[in-house]
Order: sequence, then structure tokens, then C-alpha cells
Amino acid sequence: AQTVTQSQPEMSVQEAETVTLSCTYDTSESDYYLFWYKQPPSRQMILVIRQEAYKQQNATENRFSVNFQKAAKSFSLKISDSQLGDAAMYFCAYGSSNTGKLIFGQGTTLQVKP
Amino acid sequence: DAMVIQNPRYQVTQFGKPVTLSCSQTLNHNVMYWYQQKSSQAPKLLFHYYDKDFNNEADTPDNFQSRRPNTSFCFLDIRSPGLGDAAMYLCATSAGFQETQYFGPGTRLLVL
Repeated sequence: AQTVTQSQPEMSVQEAETVTLSCTYDTSESDYYLFWYKQPPSRQMILVIRQEAYKQQNATENRFSVNFQKAAKSFSLKISDSQLGDAAMYFCAYGSSNTGKLIFGQGTTLQVKP
Repeated sequence: DAMVIQNPRYQVTQFGKPVTLSCSQTLNHNVMYWYQQKSSQAPKLLFHYYDKDFNNEADTPDNFQSRRPNTSFCFLDIRSPGLGDAAMYLCATSAGFQETQYFGPGTRLLVL
């Protein structure tokens, strides 16, 4: 069975600084996808970034980038130039290409300090 | 804008009284998912529909059922809600299993 682990329940960052959220996963599947979702206090889950496991290049979306280490089964999220609106719960998720099922980590609450 | 809509946003029901949560989408996606998210926990998949094909997760209680009358709508029925069923219920859609899932705003269920 696949598992996702986020070892940082809470993180804080100063506005305009950079922060990295950690995620590790375990799987025996060869074809899968990895995601970071953001869930602000309003509770709507919003996609931050997506990574295909078969791609070696790390995904980037504006201020958000990932460090995908397939052999180590590691998938961290870097947020550059942090903004107050980045404050939220961040979930790392594993997506099976066979079933579409998302398996989420326990989440990391990010606080952004002005 | 294309989106995933959930109604109601808040639902209060009594212990044992059946309740139905609704999800609709304008994305014309093939797959619709229902997740349960209890307070301070990660979302957990209950079941999904790929078109009309229904897949129930092995550990989803029998108390939970779903209907998808057409591409746009999917319902979550809780036949006899218990106090432990109080949670946020999230609906998500995707074009296919290998595509990104897009979530609705959720329905928060309170069981009295």
C-alpha cells in the first residue's frame, strides 16, 4: 500500500523569505503522480503543483517549485518570496495512475509572519 | 467559470436521520470522487465514479452510498449518520485517473 508522510506539522516563515515543506512517500508502483495542495482556512483544496513521476525535471509554478528525488521517494515544496496569502494547510498527495486515488499526507500548517 | 459545486455548504442532521450531500460539476469530467476529512486530518477517499462505474473503497462503511444520475451530478447518501460521521465532505473531479483532481468547497456535516 502507498503511504505519504509529512513530518512537519507546523512551519513558519517570514514574509518575503523562502520556506521548504518536506514530504516522503512509499510505493511499489512505477507510474504515479505527486501533488501539493493548499487548503486555506476557507477549506477549499487548491492545487499548487503537480509532478509526473516519469519526468526528471522538477515542476515549477511561479513562486512554487518542487525537489523531486525519485530514488529517495522524496517530494519537497519550496515557496519563494512568501506572501501572507500563502498561509494555509499544505497537503502532499500521491496519485495512482491506475485508480486515480489520492493518498494524502497529514498536512503541514504554514504560518507567514509579516 | 468551470467549477465543482457542493451543496449545501453546511448541513446539520440528527443522529440516525438520513442525509444527502450534493456535488455538481461544469468541467464535464469523467471521474467524480468523494472524500471524508475529519477535523485536523487528511482527506480520505470514500468512493469514486468513472462515468457510471462505481468503485467503493474497502474500508468505506456500508452506511455511505453514492449515486451519479448523470455526468454532472453525484450524491453522497449517509443512511444513518452517527456522531463519528461529523466531518467535511469533499467532492473532486478529474478528466481521468491520470489527470489532476479539482475540489469543491466541501460540505461540513454536523450530527446532533
